[in-house]
Amino acid sequence: DGGITQSPKYLFRKEGQNVTLSCEQNLNHDAMYWYRQDPGQGLRLIYYSQIVNDFQKGDIAEGYSVSREKKESFPLTVTSAQKNPTAFYLCASSMDPIKATEAFFGQGTRLTVV
Amino acid sequence: GDSVTQMEGPVTLSEEAFLTINCTYTATGYPSLFWYVQYPGEGLQLLLKATKADDKGSNKGFEATYRKETTSFHLEKGSVQVSDSAVYFCARRGSGNTGKLIFGQGTTLQVKP
Repeated sequence: DGGITQSPKYLFRKEGQNVTLSCEQNLNHDAMYWYRQDPGQGLRLIYYSQIVNDFQKGDIAEGYSVSREKKESFPLTVTSAQKNPTAFYLCASSMDPIKATEAFFGQGTRLTVV
Repeated sequence: GDSVTQMEGPVTLSEEAFLTINCTYTATGYPSLFWYVQYPGEGLQLLLKATKADDKGSNKGFEATYRKETTSFHLEKGSVQVSDSAVYFCARRGSGNTGKLIFGQGTTLQVKP
């Protein structure tokens, strides 16, 4: 089955620690995205990538970093510079961002600072 | 800037009631519009979409019509079920060719038996 796999489902981070969230897709999509969801709010874009080895900042990129070394993988690192990282993180992909195709989402990773 | 506004929830309905969730957007052109649904603890699933003005998207009994005159994309269903209980997000395609989405804040629907 084609889809987007995020791991882990739950992640706990200590203060001052960097953590990396995994996102893998086997849909052969060109574009991948990371969104953050907070309670009672819509999703906000952190980073996106339209092609391998290229990515751009979204609306709330501070304290996060990404890489896109392979088409199918787009990991997100939450650094210690992110002051309020507790949230639900969603990875998405789309076939062709120029042709306005819809985005497909993974099941999400819930990150909690302890 | 570009934005999407949804009616505030939670919306509580009895089974078989009629559902409307309002959504309006701002845009300089005619972006594609989407409704996504999120069940507890899960990611988002595309419910329906409309890519141009006057298009009607439909799926699983849900419908929404792209109204450019009122910049709206209201979600409707004639008879809700308990299994429809979820959070519903309205979204529009962002400006430029990035494929990014701009989301409303989400509306929680609770359907009681």
